[in-house]
Order: sequence, then structure tokens, then C-alpha cells
Amino acid sequence: QKEVEQDPGPLSVPEGAIVSLNCTYSNSAFQYFMWYRQYSRKGPELLMYTYSSGNKEDGRFTAQVDKSSKYISLFIRDSQPSDSATYLCAMRYAGNMLTFGGGTRLMVKP
Amino acid sequence: EPEVTQTPSHQVTQMGQEVILRCVPISNHLYFYWYRQILGQKVEFLVSFYNNEISEKSEIFDDQFSVERPDGSNFTLKIRSTKLEDSAMYFCASGGVIEDQPQHFGDGTRLSIL
Repeated sequence: QKEVEQDPGPLSVPEGAIVSLNCTYSNSAFQYFMWYRQYSRKGPELLMYTYSSGNKEDGRFTAQVDKSSKYISLFIRDSQPSDSATYLCAMRYAGNMLTFGGGTRLMVKP
Repeated sequence: EPEVTQTPSHQVTQMGQEVILRCVPISNHLYFYWYRQILGQKVEFLVSFYNNEISEKSEIFDDQFSVERPDGSNFTLKIRSTKLEDSAMYFCASGGVIEDQPQHFGDGTRLSIL
């Protein structure tokens, strides 16, 4: 079983839609959870960083962590064409090593 | 906004040659990292560096790899004798002043081994 799994997509939505992106993981030792956005030929850009179970909101983005189900989500409200990118979940336990999902490619159509 | 800077953006090298990838982390950060992403695959951790020494490394980071912080601003990854399978995007990242702070990535160096 892979440590972190993410649907590769592509996920295509109309502008203004609510987007839901998800990751599941197998290692219950993961404590810190991140979402990164990656545009083509660019590095991962940090969007959200959470520690505990529950929700964290930042503008149009909401990160949700359910440790009991080993499931994390990123919601994007009022999606824009500029949100079109690959979204990577990442997580770590004690120590520095991030374990990434494979990324979900999102396309927001005008 | 402060950012991590990587040079060159693209490096083409003959198999067996040495290559050095360079990074300038965010200026007040103390934790430094290298990751790689082979085309079509996940981003993979290589190594973390703190207080002038390696704090953690993955199985990928074998004897052909080394890291160095030669001065107060640069952080380098050296691959001693490159192989075809070293072709990938290499990302540098830096964290904050304590270990729990998030990692911020540069835009990467595309390494092509011929």
C-alpha cells in the first residue's frame, strides 16, 4: 500500500465551482499536513499547513484533516482559471522529510 | 515575498560527469532540503541539513550525493558521477528557525543526463 495516495485527475470544473481535492494516507504517525500548488515548470508553492484534525481556512481555501480516517482535503471556493495547476498533498511525522502524494491536476474553465 | 532561488534552471551533463546544483535559501531560515521529481513521478525527499550537518537522508541519497553550505547564503547539491537515472527536477527548500515550520520550495533545476 502506498503511503500517500491522491487521484491524479485531471479534474475539470467550470469557473466559480467549489473544488474538492483529497488525499488518503496509511501511516498514522503523520502529524503535519500540507497542500502545495504547482504550476507548470515551477516549484511547489505552499498553500496550507495544518497540524491537528479539523478545519483551517485561508481566503478561498479550506484544509480539512481527519486523522481517524487518515484523510485530508482541500476545498477551493469560487474557483478561478488561475487556480488551474497541480495540487500536491504532503505530510510528515517527527523529523523533516515530507512525503508527497502524486498530485491532482485541476483545470478551471472560464 | 522572500523566495528560494535555484541555479541553473536547466543543466545538461554527460553521464559520469560531476554536477553541482545551487540554491539560495530564504535568508533567515536555518533548515535546508533537497528533493527530486523524476518526470511523471512523485516529489521525493533526498536530504535535510541543519547546523552544518545532514540531519536526515533518504535511501536515494547514496555516496554519489553530497551537500554543502559553503558560505552564509548558498546551499549546494553535488552529484559526483552522474547516471542516466539521475535525470530529474531537483528542488531546494528551506524551512524556518524551528523544525516544525513549513518548507518553501524553489522553482527547481532540470537536470538532463546524456
